[in-house]
Amino acid sequence: QQQVKQSPQSLIVQKGGISIINCAYENTAFDYFPWYQQFPGKGPALLIAIRPDVSEKKEGRFTISFNKSAKQFSLHIMDSQPGDSATYFCAVPGYRSSGSARQLTFGSGTQLTVLP
Amino acid sequence: SAVISQKPSRDICQRGTSLTIQCQVDSQVTMMFWYRQQPGQSLTLIATANQGSEATYESGFVIDKFPISRPNLTFSTLTVSNMSPEDSSIYLCSVLDPRSFYGYTFGSGTRLTVV
Repeated sequence: QQQVKQSPQSLIVQKGGISIINCAYENTAFDYFPWYQQFPGKGPALLIAIRPDVSEKKEGRFTISFNKSAKQFSLHIMDSQPGDSATYFCAVPGYRSSGSARQLTFGSGTQLTVLP
Repeated sequence: SAVISQKPSRDICQRGTSLTIQCQVDSQVTMMFWYRQQPGQSLTLIATANQGSEATYESGFVIDKFPISRPNLTFSTLTVSNMSPEDSSIYLCSVLDPRSFYGYTFGSGTRLTVV
């Protein structure tokens, strides 16, 4: 079964700082790598995703960096704001051994707190 | 993207009872997924529900405990049976949205507390 390792478990950043969350995976047969953002009491929402044929994707203050050879991808939040305080999950899609459906395997999550 | 309505949003149940969670999608989707998120933890896939076939369960989850129905392409239910306090979690419905390349959309979840 696919293992997805996410770090750090928690992160505290001052307002305006840079938040960096990392994710490592094992297999390589994926067509995209997403990050999800989850606020308390809500389901995860897709934040940003990258396809493996590019090394970086930026959407506003959020950037994904992808290192295919190292099997790692990371989320960078520039100019972090208190409203960014949430739990962030990386995920990889793929076929699981228990079935034929294409499913997501999630990282363990990073609880980000941005101090005002 | 697809819009998912999940009911109930939260419930407090007595041990030994069962709770059925409903997931309604605003468009037809082939694949629907049920996840469990224990307090402060990541999401764990319970099962995949495809219309017209039996659900496929992940290791550690069994049909007797988590029966699933998928009567049509917009609706599914997950039942948590014979509940114990260890079943206290958030249960999330997710769909593979054909309108989105990065296609997985989640409902807001059902926060279940078993006392």
